[in-house]
Amino acid sequence: ETGVTQTPRHLVMGMTNKKSLKCEQHLGHNAMYWYKQSAKKPLELMFVYSLEERVENNSVPSRFSPECPNSSHLFLHLHTLQPEDSALYLCASSQEALTGINTGELFFGEGSRLTVL
Amino acid sequence: TQLLEQSPQFLSIQEGENLTVYCNSSSVFSSLQWYRQEPGEGPVLLVTVVTGGEVKKLKRLTFQFGDARKDSSLHITAAQPGDTGLYLCAGDSGAGSYQLTFGKGTKLSVIP
Repeated sequence: ETGVTQTPRHLVMGMTNKKSLKCEQHLGHNAMYWYKQSAKKPLELMFVYSLEERVENNSVPSRFSPECPNSSHLFLHLHTLQPEDSALYLCASSQEALTGINTGELFFGEGSRLTVL
Repeated sequence: TQLLEQSPQFLSIQEGENLTVYCNSSSVFSSLQWYRQEPGEGPVLLVTVVTGGEVKKLKRLTFQFGDARKDSSLHITAAQPGDTGLYLCAGDSGAGSYQLTFGKGTKLSVIP
């Protein structure tokens, strides 16, 4: 298995649907992240989990709900999304949560391309 | 709010040419990373620079961190089609936040 795997790779959903994105890391890392990548915008950090605890939650609408059942798995539950939520959602992991004291490497998955109709 | 400005936004060159892309900020970063993202893939780390004035080489790629730790450059010598991708710089403020500041990226196309 490759380092960080994301499913599905592509998802099309209506605004009233409920769907989930899944991420699994096989690297034994302690921290996992959700990023949003939109055209012409920098990567936006959405959520950070360290040892299964959410440690950072940027101003993300409640229609996005993360879940981290264990240190290897991360989910992003999607509900009543808007067309402007269409983007590439990237999951990443790192050995320890990056805090500035500990500068490490982010390992990204291939992303889930989400289209909201 | 810390910002990282990358330039140029797009770059299309012929195989064998040299190029430089830039990552600039008015803020100081404790470290700066460069990632490359190929189409359909996630970003992959190329290098981390942590000391002002530091130069790191990775085969044909040369990375430099500015003396004041506010800017960085990536120079590619004799570009090859395999260098095609989106180059992202990411800065760590060192302020104890979990958040890296990413630039918007430079999209490089190397034409055979």
